[in-house]
Amino acid sequence: DTGVSQDPRHKITKRGQNVTFRCDPISEHNRLYWYRQTLGQGPEFLTYFQNEAQLEKSRLLSDRFSAERPKGSFSTLEIQRTEQGDSAMYLCASSLGGGARNYGYTFGSGTRLTVV
Amino acid sequence: AQSVTQLGSHVSVSEGALVLLRCNYSSSVPPYLFWYVQYPNQGLQLLLKYTTGATLVKGINGFEAEFKKSETSFHLTKPSAHMSDAAEYFCAVRGSGGYNKLIFGAGTRLAVHP
Repeated sequence: DTGVSQDPRHKITKRGQNVTFRCDPISEHNRLYWYRQTLGQGPEFLTYFQNEAQLEKSRLLSDRFSAERPKGSFSTLEIQRTEQGDSAMYLCASSLGGGARNYGYTFGSGTRLTVV
Repeated sequence: AQSVTQLGSHVSVSEGALVLLRCNYSSSVPPYLFWYVQYPNQGLQLLLKYTTGATLVKGINGFEAEFKKSETSFHLTKPSAHMSDAAEYFCAVRGSGGYNKLIFGAGTRLAVHP
């Protein structure tokens, strides 16, 4: 088990282009989260999957953002028509089940997006 | 609503000195509290967490934190700083509504000087 993997690590794109990020969680983890971290700030919750079901979406997730977890394993986060304000580190995390003992999930190393 | 305030965006200590990073929280539900560390260009690593039980929590790398309900605080300490402790530290509280969502503070950057 190599932990939570994210790809790519860095992405530079021109404003208006679409980008897609991938997250591979720890294999036995059924819960998957996406967070966004801008410079000088803590991570902010974007969305949550339990298996393949997307159960919660933040208001931060505008219509240009979409996330999927088609088979309850890896997840993708797509941003359409990127804007400079989308520049941030996008973090994926996973955890096994609910309850107090499973709080404090495992984060990936993130994908740093720069929109120019 | 849940929120976290980390007092001091930058803290600087000498190697071997006490590390104290402050965190205060607000929560409408019994709080679960966390400290994470982030090294440059890396994800977040869990240092320790408080959910229930003992209010003094020990974590990795010699860090510990004490949950004080009356003060709504969860400060992080380490008796003796090491150069390798230089990083950004985030305090977090569980969000409402289930799903294990976390609400993070803005972070404290710790610098350790020789």
